[in-house]
Amino acid sequence: EADIYQTPRYLVIGTGKKITLECSQTMGHDKMYWYQQDPGMELHLIHYSYGVNSTEKGDLSSESTVSRIRTEHFPLTLESARPSHTSQYLCASSATSWPYEQYFGPGTRLTVT
Amino acid sequence: GEDVEQSLFLSVREGDSSVINCTYTDSSSTYLYWYKQEPGAGLQLLTYIFSNMDMKQDQRLTVLLNKKDKHLSLRIADTQTGDSAIYFCAESSRNYGQNFVFGPGTRLSVLP
Repeated sequence: EADIYQTPRYLVIGTGKKITLECSQTMGHDKMYWYQQDPGMELHLIHYSYGVNSTEKGDLSSESTVSRIRTEHFPLTLESARPSHTSQYLCASSATSWPYEQYFGPGTRLTVT
Repeated sequence: GEDVEQSLFLSVREGDSSVINCTYTDSSSTYLYWYKQEPGAGLQLLTYIFSNMDMKQDQRLTVLLNKKDKHLSLRIADTQTGDSAIYFCAESSRNYGQNFVFGPGTRLSVLP
């Protein structure tokens, strides 16, 4: 069954730690996205990728970085976590042809203490 | 830039119809989408409509699009307690590289 996975689902970590949030999809989609969802539930695009070796910054400036070495995998890394990084992070993927619908993973809730 | 607006809250009684409204500004929108988010979960795609269509129906869901007024609505017939969630409207725009612009979400509460 085609799907999109995120690990871990929940993470509590101390300030200054390096973390990587994992995202994988089995749908063969070229395009992948990372969103940050704030407590008011608004979604902000922070990174996206058109395919292998492609990464682009989204609308919301983020101290995180991403990589795309394999089509199915799009990890997000924070080199030094801070309390301001506490949020819900959602990964999504889509085809690059119409109707372009995005499919979302279950999310990672990150808390930085 | 592109903007998508929604009312933030809606309460309905179980069994009634719910209508969630959305307005957008980008006239080059190609598709418009409705997503549902339950607590602690990701977004689930409910339905989408091509910008040249007026209406789309899928079981209890009816989407109406008024392209002239840039107004989109989602009607849920016979609303159930399981429909309580946050509903996001989104548009896909050529101007935006087919990335999505999401509305702020409407929190639907279904009262017994």
